[in-house]
Amino acid sequence: GIQVEQSPPDLILQEGANSTLRCNFSDSVNNLQWFHQNPWGQLINLFYIPSGTKQNGRLSATTVATERYSLLYISSSQTTDSGVYFCAGWPVEYGNKLVFGAGTILRVKS
Amino acid sequence: DTAVSQTPKYLVTQMGNDKSIKCEQNLGHDTMYWYKQDSKKFLKIMFSYNNKELIINETVPNRFSPKSPDKAHLNLHINSLELGDSAVYFCASSQIVRDRGRQHYPSGANVLTFGAGSRLTVL
Repeated sequence: GIQVEQSPPDLILQEGANSTLRCNFSDSVNNLQWFHQNPWGQLINLFYIPSGTKQNGRLSATTVATERYSLLYISSSQTTDSGVYFCAGWPVEYGNKLVFGAGTILRVKS
Repeated sequence: DTAVSQTPKYLVTQMGNDKSIKCEQNLGHDTMYWYKQDSKKFLKIMFSYNNKELIINETVPNRFSPKSPDKAHLNLHINSLELGDSAVYFCASSQIVRDRGRQHYPSGANVLTFGAGSRLTVL
């Protein structure tokens, strides 16, 4: 099956710093999503980004579908950004389930 | 107002018991899912229903039985609970499109929306 690799696996930032999270897919996917799981466990949609670039406040995401990767940028990080960031996509070959990466654990220190 | 709601949020029970988790969505979506998140935070799909029809059934012990009475509800019943069943179970929903009757993936902006999770602890 498709492999979804996220890097780095964990990250510690000082408040105010910027960071880039990466997601690589071993095969083509449709409808890539980024999620944030907050420290209370809630999974929140950040971006639906099959291709191109989108911005939402301090967060932005870029997907290059032809090269099978996506990037999530966090600028001016805040302690509330802490949690786990997941990317997920629907494999083109068998598009009936959303496959998740293992996540990047982010801790922002004040 | 909650889009995808699960109950209970926490469940602590003894090995061997039977328990159920309920899920309801008010987004008008036609597809619902159960995902399991293990202690290492890995999220894996278990089941998916589209308009009450089972479309995904991953390799899950048959002690787990999903039921979808209508497209807005998807429940998960677990028999003879084991220690390894301890996890967080997430319900999700989406509106899907069918591609040549084979593939199903969310259409446009109706991507997966998750419930708050149900943390099951088996003692």
